[in-house]
Amino acid sequence: TQLLEQSPQFLSIQEGENLTVYCNSSSVFSSLQWYRQEPGEGPVLLVTVVTGGEVKKLKRLTFQFGDARKDSSLHITAAQPGDTGLYLCAGANYGGSQGNLIFGKGTKLSVKP
Amino acid sequence: SQTIHQWPATLVQPVGSPLSLECTVEGTSNPNLYWYRQAAGRGLQLLFYSVGIGQISSEVPQNLSASRPQDRQFILSSKKLLLSDSGFYLCAWSVTGWGDGYTFGSGTRLTVV
Repeated sequence: TQLLEQSPQFLSIQEGENLTVYCNSSSVFSSLQWYRQEPGEGPVLLVTVVTGGEVKKLKRLTFQFGDARKDSSLHITAAQPGDTGLYLCAGANYGGSQGNLIFGKGTKLSVKP
Repeated sequence: SQTIHQWPATLVQPVGSPLSLECTVEGTSNPNLYWYRQAAGRGLQLLFYSVGIGQISSEVPQNLSASRPQDRQFILSSKKLLLSDSGFYLCAWSVTGWGDGYTFGSGTRLTVV
């Protein structure tokens, strides 16, 4: 069974600080996605990374896919209160079952003004 | 543009009562459709997915069932709710199941009392 472990589970920081959250697995994934979820809402896709070593930037968010495609990280620069939410990573494998997007349990981020 | 509608937003049901949650997608044809349940601290659990009309795959044996009577309609049902069915239910769609991003609905908060 493929698992994705996210760390830390909870993170509370002040506005303006930098942070990194991690998504790790012992399994290889064809691609990995990051979502942000606000309370009472569905997750919203932020980015998909597909190539080992790939780095993608989305404004103050930097996503990296590990060289071996087993792990990923999300770095936020100068966090803002609007970044508050649950960050979920999800891994997929091409050619497998079409329902096989594996989700981590998430990192709950709170950014205080 | 594609949109996904999920209703109701909240639901309080007594134990033993039936359940019907509906999800519809607009702006796309033959989407993959998914039902997830999210419990606190447990991440997203895939319940059912469908790659076409009448095609349902169940990931977890439970008190729930799903149906896809039309291409862009996905229904989650139960004949008799249990307390353990409480949770946040999310519908999602994707173009394929192999790593492209999922678009989630806004969710239904179900409380079984």
